[in-house]
Amino acid sequence: EPEVTQTPSHQVTQMGQEVILRCVPISNHLYFYWYRQILGQKVEFLVSFYNNEISEKSEIFDDQFSVERPDGSNFTLKIRSTKLEDSAMYFCASRDRDSYEQYFGPGTRLTVT
Amino acid sequence: QQQVKQSPQSLIVQKGGISIINCAYENTAFDYFPWYQQFPGKGPALLIAIRPDVSEKKEGRFTISFNKSAKQFSLHIMDSQPGDSATYFCAASWARGSTLGRLYFGRGTQLTVWP
Repeated sequence: EPEVTQTPSHQVTQMGQEVILRCVPISNHLYFYWYRQILGQKVEFLVSFYNNEISEKSEIFDDQFSVERPDGSNFTLKIRSTKLEDSAMYFCASRDRDSYEQYFGPGTRLTVT
Repeated sequence: QQQVKQSPQSLIVQKGGISIINCAYENTAFDYFPWYQQFPGKGPALLIAIRPDVSEKKEGRFTISFNKSAKQFSLHIMDSQPGDSATYFCAASWARGSTLGRLYFGRGTQLTVWP
């Protein structure tokens, strides 16, 4: 069964450093999302992406964040200068054009020290 | 503004019992209501979802009940099993215009099923 994959599973970085989180969405899906979940809290939307453009972004997704689809399979989230409060699980999700169903990857645990 | 409110925060049920988790939403434009199951250290997994044109949807032991007028929906897990112990999130979205159906999640319910 097709699934969303994410790498790395765990990333530790120092405050102020740049990180890139990678996702491979399900192959025939066209819509891509990033969400995050701070430990013990609800899942929060960051950004949606379609046709090489951001469709919508939340107030969390400030200028420190960017997304890119560098090739036909990968979808990345970059945090330019990490802060302690960026520590969270980051989930990528994807869906196809004809369905509302979003499928989530296993997540990347980002720890900023 | 909390678009989706979920209760209870935690739930303990005996094996074989019925688990009921409730959600209420604010925005009448929502037209898709999924439930996700999450095990520790894993991503949310889509469990079951409903559109507002039906009042109930059943898949195996899982049932969603939907009350459009009250803006509420609930998840019922029949014959609850220890393997159902997880965190359950309700969510809501719409997919009109330029939006791509971002999901608004509830705060989650930690379900524990005792053997």
